Amino acid sequence: QVQLVESGGGLVKPGGSLRLSCAASGFTFSDYYMSWIRQAPGKGLEWVSYISYSGSGIYYADSVKGRFTISRDNAQNSLYLQMNSLRAEDTAVYYCARVHNNYVDLQEYWGHGTLVAVSS
Amino acid sequence: QSVLTQPPSVSGAPGQRVTISCTGSSSNFGAGYEVHWYQQLPGTAPKLLIYGNNNRPSGVPDRFSGSKSGTSASLAITGLQAEDEADYYCQSYDISLTVVFGGGTKLTVL
Repeated sequence: QVQLVESGGGLVKPGGSLRLSCAASGFTFSDYYMSWIRQAPGKGLEWVSYISYSGSGIYYADSVKGRFTISRDNAQNSLYLQMNSLRAEDTAVYYCARVHNNYVDLQEYWGHGTLVAVSS
Repeated sequence: QSVLTQPPSVSGAPGQRVTISCTGSSSNFGAGYEVHWYQQLPGTAPKLLIYGNNNRPSGVPDRFSGSKSGTSASLAITGLQAEDEADYYCQSYDISLTVVFGGGTKLTVL
């Protein structure tokens, strides 16, 4: 069965950096686009980024463009999100998701999320 | 402010039918992109509920259905059950090649 396990969250000061990881199993990782979505405490869902099979196609939300970098390692079945210049408004649970093969915008399976808190 | 607009809350009694609306624009629904719906039970990750306007993944009861017309979409739940109490999110794609979500609707089962 599809499993997505995020890690790397924690407390970081404004302006700091953090790298999130998502370990995938139960499917052929290189056959799927992957994405990151976040949810601020008590708020709705916000799409962050997605990456194509090989990593050649990458898109970001305007709110994180230039600060966050998505990447993947197909040999390690892993997805990453490098977050730099973190702000208080980046505080959220970050979910990784497997994208549906027929819909580039459809998050078919979700992990349980990892909490990132940005505070001094 | 979310790109897609949903009512903050809806409610209904057990057994009733409720609908949740989702309003988009010419850059998403109006451009032909489809709507997907997610259910988020309290304290859990979102789960795919409806995709491609009106398709249910395996395991989702047929009490849940979706529709889309023009720049609007809706999710209908019939035979409301206590376990349906959750937050519901609509989602689509935008001509800027970004994914857009609605602000979410909290469903309360009275």
